[in-house]
Amino acid sequence: GNSVTQMEGPVTLSEEAFLTINCTYTATGYPSLFWYVQYPGEGLQLLLKATKADDKGSNKGFEATYRKETTSFHLEKGSVQVSDSAVYFCALNSGGYQKVTFGTGTKLQVIP
Amino acid sequence: DTAVSQTPKYLVTQMGNDKSIKCEQNLGHDTMYWYKQDSKKFLKIMFSYNNKELIINETVPNRFSPKSPDKAHLNLHINSLELGDSAVYFCASSQGGGGNSGELFFGEGSRLTVL
Repeated sequence: GNSVTQMEGPVTLSEEAFLTINCTYTATGYPSLFWYVQYPGEGLQLLLKATKADDKGSNKGFEATYRKETTSFHLEKGSVQVSDSAVYFCALNSGGYQKVTFGTGTKLQVIP
Repeated sequence: DTAVSQTPKYLVTQMGNDKSIKCEQNLGHDTMYWYKQDSKKFLKIMFSYNNKELIINETVPNRFSPKSPDKAHLNLHINSLELGDSAVYFCASSQGGGGNSGELFFGEGSRLTVL
């Protein structure tokens, strides 16, 4: 079956540091890949996505590139802010009826 | 004008009780879901409905019963609540019953605490 593996958190960074959150996946076919973000006390919201190999998704300074050869979709940001503190979920969808598989989430804490 | 709204936001109840959580979406989507998030933030899909028809029914105790009166609403009823049911329950919706767009729109969650 499908699976998503994320690096374990929590990740603690100082403001303006470089962020990488690793994500690798196992899936049949050609899945679409996503990063969702969950701010404290809120539901998840889509951060970025990529639907085919070599696509780069980007939003709010975050980027991730769909790497089929390494089955990875690592999230990066060049300079994090305190407001980026949240839980980040990597996810994929390769089936019908929108069955999305989520990773376990990585908590990011950014300190001033 | 919240896109996906769920009520109640907080629910505290005793073991053995029955409770319901309601969800409504105004996005015009035809697919709705219930997810359970445990204390470690792990997200697990429970059910999915497409145009009021049950599509995904993961391994969930039959004390949990979803009901979709129309494609804009998906309610979750839980009988005989147990301590392990304590979690945050998220409703979500998406457009399309197939394809790979995969974008889910989540509600703010309903935190259930069973004492």
